[in-house]
Amino acid sequence: NAGVTQTPKFQVLKTGQSMTLQCAQDMNHNSMYWYRQDPGMGLRLIYYSASEGTTDKGEVPNGYNVSRLNKREFSLRLESAAPSQTSVYFCASSEGDVLNGYTFGSGTRLTVV
Amino acid sequence: SQQGEEDPQALSIQEGENATMNCSYKTSINNLQWYRQNSGRGLVHLILIRSNEREKHSGRLRVTLDTSKKSSSLLITASRAADTASYFCASPNRDDKIIFGKGTRLHILP
Repeated sequence: NAGVTQTPKFQVLKTGQSMTLQCAQDMNHNSMYWYRQDPGMGLRLIYYSASEGTTDKGEVPNGYNVSRLNKREFSLRLESAAPSQTSVYFCASSEGDVLNGYTFGSGTRLTVV
Repeated sequence: SQQGEEDPQALSIQEGENATMNCSYKTSINNLQWYRQNSGRGLVHLILIRSNEREKHSGRLRVTLDTSKKSSSLLITASRAADTASYFCASPNRDDKIIFGKGTRLHILP
């Protein structure tokens, strides 16, 4: 039972390059989320998807796009990477009712040079 | 838009001692959650306390909630080396999305 799986675990990009971070969950959760974690900043919500076919902006969406491909998968795309996007990215999922909390993936450490 | 804020930012205690971390939040909440993050890993959900509850236990964890003071505390009793981690409080904002604090880094000394 994998839970939430993120790929890749590490990535180095040059400024201006694009890439897609992949996330998949096997718990049949309706809601999925992308966060970034920076030192001293805690976790900040980038985008979320309350259900298959819907996506909404979170606190820091600029420079990112997302796709909820199906109920299992929620990808995050950086169209033109910037050094300010150097961060650790976490995907999470939950039932629509968050009383059981969020289940997190193990993260993608992204460096933009 | 930060909802919760943990205090202290960092805490070092001897193994076997109790560790207490506090969280203050700004707006009314339906529930408050605590998460643990081990170094280099994702967050793990520890416990949730609803707004109509004052105290909740789970193993060596004890969480309290004071809605009049908009604060919560997490107590870890009889600490172990494996408790070394960062601990985050989190609560839903107006859009029902969970917002995390910046965390308390707990270090258990042998």
